[in-house]
Amino acid sequence: DAGITQSPRHKVTETGTPVTLRCHQTENHRYMYWYRQDPGHGLRLIHYSYGVKDTDKGEVSDGYSVSRSKTEDFLLTLESATSSQTSVYFCAISEIGAGFTDTQYFGPGTRLTVL
Amino acid sequence: GQNIDQPTEMTATEGAIVQINCTYQTSGFNGLFWYQQHAGEAPTFLSYNVLDGLEEKGRFSSFLSRSKGYSYLLLKELQMKDSASYLCAIQGYGGATNKLIFGTGTLLAVQP
Repeated sequence: DAGITQSPRHKVTETGTPVTLRCHQTENHRYMYWYRQDPGHGLRLIHYSYGVKDTDKGEVSDGYSVSRSKTEDFLLTLESATSSQTSVYFCAISEIGAGFTDTQYFGPGTRLTVL
Repeated sequence: GQNIDQPTEMTATEGAIVQINCTYQTSGFNGLFWYQQHAGEAPTFLSYNVLDGLEEKGRFSSFLSRSKGYSYLLLKELQMKDSASYLCAIQGYGGATNKLIFGTGTLLAVQP
């Protein structure tokens, strides 16, 4: 299994509070991704990173920001959490990236509840 | 855009064979992936197809036909532990990385 950890694994917070989720990898992979998974929608890409300090938006990026200051860490921040952001968040990593088919490996997930 | 369709639920019997279909509409893509996801856990990679045809990995096989916009995952000798969601995903082109677009998944229940 790829060395990917996510923290926290569970979090309950209130509407309007800031929340930061952390993804940490020990594989030295260049590419990292944040997804959310909701019933009826499947996995949807929020943001991704193609290198240190290089990030871009995914399909559902509104209300989220990311940062990557080191190869091994990719942070997802909800500046002001809303109930619609209650979801399970998965981090993923991959090695090859653009131009070649490559496989993404997923972390264990963070279950976030916004009250 | 890319539209991916899978059946929502399927039921099969232990020891049997089951085929999970995935149809898509897209103008072009790198490859088609299958992931398994047990309840409350992360998706885990099963297989991918780049070229048309069948890829076999033990009890699991995946098939792709680009001309028909169709893929399937075949599970043989079903075991109770195969009860899970199976996610079909297309890896597209463009940007700085090859992004995955997922279907909503097929929940497979294996019965004794």
